[in-house]
Amino acid sequence: EIVLTQSPGTLSLSPGERVTLSCRASQTVSGSYLAWYQQKPGQAPRLLIYDVSSRTTGIPDRFSGSGSGTDFTLTISRLEPEDFAVYYCQLYGGSLVFGRGTKLEIK
Amino acid sequence: QVHFVQSGAEVKEPGASLKVSCKPSGYSFANFALHWVRQAPGQSPEWMGWINLANGNTEYSQKFQGRVSISRDTSANTSFLELSRLRSEDTALYHCARARRAFDFSYAALDYWGQGALVTVSS
Repeated sequence: EIVLTQSPGTLSLSPGERVTLSCRASQTVSGSYLAWYQQKPGQAPRLLIYDVSSRTTGIPDRFSGSGSGTDFTLTISRLEPEDFAVYYCQLYGGSLVFGRGTKLEIK
Repeated sequence: QVHFVQSGAEVKEPGASLKVSCKPSGYSFANFALHWVRQAPGQSPEWMGWINLANGNTEYSQKFQGRVSISRDTSANTSFLELSRLRSEDTALYHCARARRAFDFSYAALDYWGQGALVTVSS
């Protein structure tokens, strides 16, 4: 089974900064079957990005996804206070697995 | 709008079974696969399986094969997750979630999630 490794585990940043989160697959991902979710305490995960780079309706364009093969990234161009949360990547081609998450915390 | 009503919190003893329910609304029940994902406290989500609500076909994570069953009651527009031989490591929030694309009866990105049913396994 493919394993998704997210790095770093925790990031301390300030509002207004740009951030890039990494998700690396243990094997090449065939097709564009990668998604990103945001989760805040006490809430269910929220789908941000699907098919590597497509934004879900209502997600601000400061969120963008990219990558291929084994390396994928989620970029937030300018952090807003409401963006501090945990972010998970998810593979859904051939299996369905989640990464262990990256926590974005306010510096 | 899309909404899920999930069953309430439960406490189970080790070795027992759980059965949680999920009732979607706001869309055509049978047109979207329903996935079940659990999340233990402080952990990442873990996929358990999915069901084609039109015909009842299911697929399960290998990790839970033999212990898990997902079903549906089309007359009640409700899906059920059953997990047997519970152990303390099964303590988690059990979410149902909708596949993003209609008629996508396979692995999928999940666009709407229920709030989860909390199951605590403890003696």
